[in-house]
Amino acid sequence: KAGVTQTPRYLIKTRGQQVTLSCSPISGHRSVSWYQQTPGQGLQFLFEYFSETQRNKGNFPGRFSGRQFSNSRSEMNVSTLELGDSALYLCASSRPSGSGSTDTQYFGPGTRLTVL
Amino acid sequence: DAKTTQPPSMDCAEGRAANLPCNHSTISGNEYVYWYRQIHSQGPQYIIHGLKNNETNEMASLIITEDRKSSTLILPHATLRDTAVYYCIVRGPNTGNQFYFGTGTSLTVIP
Repeated sequence: KAGVTQTPRYLIKTRGQQVTLSCSPISGHRSVSWYQQTPGQGLQFLFEYFSETQRNKGNFPGRFSGRQFSNSRSEMNVSTLELGDSALYLCASSRPSGSGSTDTQYFGPGTRLTVL
Repeated sequence: DAKTTQPPSMDCAEGRAANLPCNHSTISGNEYVYWYRQIHSQGPQYIIHGLKNNETNEMASLIITEDRKSSTLILPHATLRDTAVYYCIVRGPNTGNQFYFGTGTSLTVIP
């Protein structure tokens, strides 16, 4: 079974631009979560989508947004890029069960975004 | 917010067991302990999780103390490919069932 895929793998943008990252979950998985990883802040939760609805949200500004499509694929968008947005953006998928505590998340390889 | 405490780094000789500790003294009864690892600049890899019983799979064993305030991840025969950052995560309804990663333990397996 194919794992979580993320595109593109690497991206270079300049300040003020916007960017869209894509995530395809494992087949059958309906929940997609996004994380940002930087050397200073570590791995931080951005948001989670399930059945095309945002279910949870981390503490990030409104410049960070996302959506999920009916096939469970997800995109995240960052508008008005800042230098501090340079990071590894990770997507994880899970197959929601009745108890959210036991839904193991499987991560993709990430998209490395560099903002110049 | 991370609810776990881990040593920042550890070394282990190749072929020996690697024992990675984690303190989670404020864990609630309905919260699980998860372990992930991340090899440099790759996505985190799921290892194992448990509630209160010890767990074992093909990768590792998880030992949770009876009071559930701490746990140990055991890699029975460490190899060079096990060099990675290991994250211990407490997860449950109190945290929106989300994974909050702390700083983890950087494990170096030495030949």
